[in-house]
Amino acid sequence: DIVMTQSPDSLAMSLGERATINCRSSQSLLYSSDNKNYLAWYQQKPGQPPKVLIYWASTRDSGVPDRFSGSGSGTDFTLTISSLQAEDVAVYYCHQYYSTPWTFGQGTKVEIK
Amino acid sequence: QVQLQESGPGLAKPSETLSLTCSVSGGSISGYYWSWIRQPPGKGLEWIAYIYYRGNTDYSPSLKSRATISLDTSKNQFSLKLTSLIAADTAVYYCARGTVTVAGIFDTWGQGSLVTVSS
Repeated sequence: DIVMTQSPDSLAMSLGERATINCRSSQSLLYSSDNKNYLAWYQQKPGQPPKVLIYWASTRDSGVPDRFSGSGSGTDFTLTISSLQAEDVAVYYCHQYYSTPWTFGQGTKVEIK
Repeated sequence: QVQLQESGPGLAKPSETLSLTCSVSGGSISGYYWSWIRQPPGKGLEWIAYIYYRGNTDYSPSLKSRATISLDTSKNQFSLKLTSLIAADTAVYYCARGTVTVAGIFDTWGQGSLVTVSS
């Protein structure tokens, strides 16, 4: 199984600050035949199901604010919230869909300081 | 806008079999991959299994011996059965849809069904 490890486990930032979440996979998620990274990011607010924010490591899903961006390749990836808003309080998960069993990181809880 | 709705027993006993159903409304089950994902209280996400509308399936090895995913296209539903329940199976069970092109990107989720395994 591919192990996904996120850091930090939690972070607290002030409104308007930049928040950065890292994700590392135990093997490369870059598929050579299409040069795509099979990595997605999800946001889960309390009491709600997860919602996809980013896929292919850097493609924002429809309707996702542009303050959310994804970067990275191979085994190291980053989700950045450029200017933290109150509605961004949530747990964020990275997820690999390179090979089954599909796996998720342990989650990063983002709070407002 | 497609919507997913899980239905399940809420409470189940150890050693029993859990049956969950996901009803798909506002769209067809055809053309997509459909997954079950669970989340123990206060913990992270675990993918359980998927089924393609044509019937192809894949399972997490950790649950493969106890899980069965199936499809009923006439009812626009898919289901999960999990046998030999233990307390560690207590979780919110989500059904989710994979995108048209990529099975593992979950673009639509149900609200989740909490299942507690306890005698």
